[in-house]
Amino acid sequence: DVVMTQTPPSLSVAIGQSVSISCKSSQSLVASDKNTYLNWLLQSPGRSPKRLIYQVSKLDSGVPDRFSGSGSEKDFTLKISRVEAEDLGVYYCLQGTHLPFTFGSGTKLEIK
Amino acid sequence: QVQLQQSGTELVKPASSVKISCKASGYTFTSNYMHWIRQQPGNGLEWIGWIYPGNGNTKYNQKFDGKATLTADKSSSTAYMQLSSLTSEDSAVYFCARLGARASFDYWGQGVMVTVSS
Repeated sequence: DVVMTQTPPSLSVAIGQSVSISCKSSQSLVASDKNTYLNWLLQSPGRSPKRLIYQVSKLDSGVPDRFSGSGSEKDFTLKISRVEAEDLGVYYCLQGTHLPFTFGSGTKLEIK
Repeated sequence: QVQLQQSGTELVKPASSVKISCKASGYTFTSNYMHWIRQQPGNGLEWIGWIYPGNGNTKYNQKFDGKATLTADKSSSTAYMQLSSLTSEDSAVYFCARLGARASFDYWGQGVMVTVSS
């Protein structure tokens, strides 16, 4: 199985600061169709996960452009610029290139 | 709009089985894979498997082979997951999630909490 190593496990930031979350995979996530199926999800407290970013860097409709995704092959980053209170929760990376799909262990974002 | 409405909380006894549901609306149920994901208390997310309602094909995470059985009823646009031989380890929240056009989970159900206790 592809192991997704996500760091840091937690972050505490002030409103308006920027943060980055790293996700490294044990195998390349480039699929046979040349797409890279790396997603970022946010699970707000008491809620289901919600997709923020798919295929490394494509923002879901309605997701603020304060969020951005980057990376390639095995190394990916989620950046949140100008953190807002509504951004708190647990962020997960998810790879959909290889079966079984696998998730990172999560990064809990807290607001100072 | 797309919605995935899951069934309610379950309290079940060890060694028993439970069947939870995920009713889809707002799209053509038979055109998208439906996936199931587990979240144990305080833990992260694990992929269980998928079903393609169009033809009933399934694929499981080897870890859940024999534990989970996925089915779908086209007439009611409902996907089901049966969990068998339950132990305390199976206590978790179970989500259904639709695989969208971008090959990722674009819609999620609200989750079903399953508690296994005598």
